[in-house]
Amino acid sequence: RKEVEQDPGPFNVPEGATVAFNCTYSNSASQSFFWYRQDCRKEPKLLMSVYSSGNEDGRFTAQLNRASQYISLLIRDSKLSDSATYLCVVNEQAGTALIFGKGTTLSVSS
Amino acid sequence: EAGVAQSPRYKIIEKRQSVAFWCNPISGHATLYWYQQILGQGPKLLIQFQNNGVVDDSQLPKDRFSAERLKGVDSTLKIQPAKLEDSAVYLCASSLDLVNTEAFFGQGTRLTVV
Repeated sequence: RKEVEQDPGPFNVPEGATVAFNCTYSNSASQSFFWYRQDCRKEPKLLMSVYSSGNEDGRFTAQLNRASQYISLLIRDSKLSDSATYLCVVNEQAGTALIFGKGTTLSVSS
Repeated sequence: EAGVAQSPRYKIIEKRQSVAFWCNPISGHATLYWYQQILGQGPKLLIQFQNNGVVDDSQLPKDRFSAERLKGVDSTLKIQPAKLEDSAVYLCASSLDLVNTEAFFGQGTRLTVV
């Protein structure tokens, strides 16, 4: 049973491109959703939370579709420094641990 | 504010040997997690503590893995005996409590079993 599924990529894009990552989750009762970023050989760090109304933080936009059990992350005007693995993360129930997808690898080139 | 501290950063052992990892969470964080991250995969929960009690250890291979958080602060994770497939990064994370679940990760311990 795959709880959180992501396309592993890699996504190879030039600087300035817009790129979108998608993620699906299996538990329809899941409560909280996040995108974490993980640089090579580093620990995961919270990028942004995902709300039902959608949310934006600079060049990053996250959206949630509960009916389709689908989460997305859009990165506009990609920078070299955006190269990393992006982890889709779900919290199924209050008090339980975060469940991570396998991650999507992004490589931005000049 | 100091982050999550883990040691050692790297460890190489032979199969069937034992190994222990240490974690000191962010001060005041009641919830502590140990995750295993195999190369190319996302982190997978091994065990979750709330203070000194276990909340979830359903995915901990209890025949060889053990973990404790006796005083509700530091935690240790032990593997005995290690297998080749235990080669992974062991990440410790902490969150404020069971409601505020944003998890802050330590740098991890990279274990290689040969």
